[in-house]
Amino acid sequence: GQQVMQIPQYQHVQEGEDFTTYCNSSTTLSNIQWYKQRPGGHPVFLIQLVKSGEVKKQKRLTFQFGEAKKNSSLHITATQTTDVGTYFCAGNSGNTPLVFGKGTRLSVIA
Amino acid sequence: DTGVSQNPRHKITKRGQNVTFRCDPISEHNRLYWYRQTLGQGPEFLTYFQNEAQLEKSRLLSDRFSAERPKGSFSTLEIQRTEQGDSAMYLCASSPTGGAGEKLFFGSGTQLSVL
Repeated sequence: GQQVMQIPQYQHVQEGEDFTTYCNSSTTLSNIQWYKQRPGGHPVFLIQLVKSGEVKKQKRLTFQFGEAKKNSSLHITATQTTDVGTYFCAGNSGNTPLVFGKGTRLSVIA
Repeated sequence: DTGVSQNPRHKITKRGQNVTFRCDPISEHNRLYWYRQTLGQGPEFLTYFQNEAQLEKSRLLSDRFSAERPKGSFSTLEIQRTEQGDSAMYLCASSPTGGAGEKLFFGSGTQLSVL
């Protein structure tokens, strides 16, 4: 079945440094979504990418979808303590349920 | 819009007991999902409903697990004869129509501990 892999598993950064997490799927995706889960919280939707090569920005966050629609990345510029949490990518093919990666846990040291 | 509601928030049970969790999705949302999450892992798909119809069940899901959504509104997830390996956060999510690419709205989850 479809598998979604994320690296790194953990990332510790100093406040103000940049952060990137990468997501790879074993199959071509119809769309990819990104979620953020704060410590003790539940996943909250951030963004969806649908088109090959698509790039979307949300303030300091930049999301990319690969040309082959099998990989994606999330880049945070100048991290802040409010960025702490686990970032999950999730994808599906057609109308199948979303398959989540294991996430990248981000720690920001002030 | 009060969001997705899950009850109870925490459940501690002894091995071998049955437990039932409830999920109230966002009103008017037709699609309802159950996911399971363990520490350090991403949400793992269990099953989902389109209105009252259960459309898919994960092959990894034991026969001890059953879910219902009798009137297409709230849903229950029952685990029979619980095992220690069932300890996890059980997350419910809903989406408006179930169309391709819809975002999921998650509840706060039910944390199950099996002793």
